[in-house]
Amino acid sequence: AQSVTQPDIHITVSEGASLELRCNYSYGATPYLFWYVQSPGQGLQLLLKYFSGDTLVQGIKGFEAEFKRSQSSFNLRKPSVHWSDAAEYFCAVGAPNDYKLSFGAGTTVTVRA
Amino acid sequence: GAVVSQHPSWVICKSGTSVKIECRSLDFQATTMFWYRQFPKQSLMLMATSNEGSKATYEQGVEKDKFLINHASLTLSTLTVTSAHPEDSSFYICSASSGPSSYNEQFFGPGTRLTVL
Repeated sequence: AQSVTQPDIHITVSEGASLELRCNYSYGATPYLFWYVQSPGQGLQLLLKYFSGDTLVQGIKGFEAEFKRSQSSFNLRKPSVHWSDAAEYFCAVGAPNDYKLSFGAGTTVTVRA
Repeated sequence: GAVVSQHPSWVICKSGTSVKIECRSLDFQATTMFWYRQFPKQSLMLMATSNEGSKATYEQGVEKDKFLINHASLTLSTLTVTSAHPEDSSFYICSASSGPSSYNEQFFGPGTRLTVL
């Protein structure tokens, strides 16, 4: 079964600074990988996903993520953070032959002025 | 993206009573719906998966007689917590998908906060 680890529980970043959120997965083959953002009162929103092909994936809101098979990682990055990026971020992994998504515990991002 | 709503957004009930939570896909037909439970500062845990018109598939450790799931139409799924107890207090989230594979994007509802007194 697949699993996900998000090592950072909470990250504080200054507005305008860069952001990187770490995600490590465990799965025997090439997984499907996802990043979601959860804001208070709103459902999880998909930021980006990786199924195959180019390992650098562009998403919405200026986010990107890079799949590194050798490191079993799928880290999320944003070059310049806006105050509206303060939220909870979840990494998830799915298997091509399965319907389930396994979520990490999430990383809370706080943006300071 | 598609819109999924949940009702109610929060509910408080007495121990021993039953609570029904609705999940609706507003602008697409959801052949598959998922129910998750989220504890504070923890991950989303999949409780069950339902396909329209068929019985739900429950994850290991989830009591199907306690958490009744009905997916009667392509736009509505309900989760009923029967004989609720304080340990059932949690944040329940549904998602809807146009297919059963993880390749199909899941669209998430805003969640329902259940507090059992």
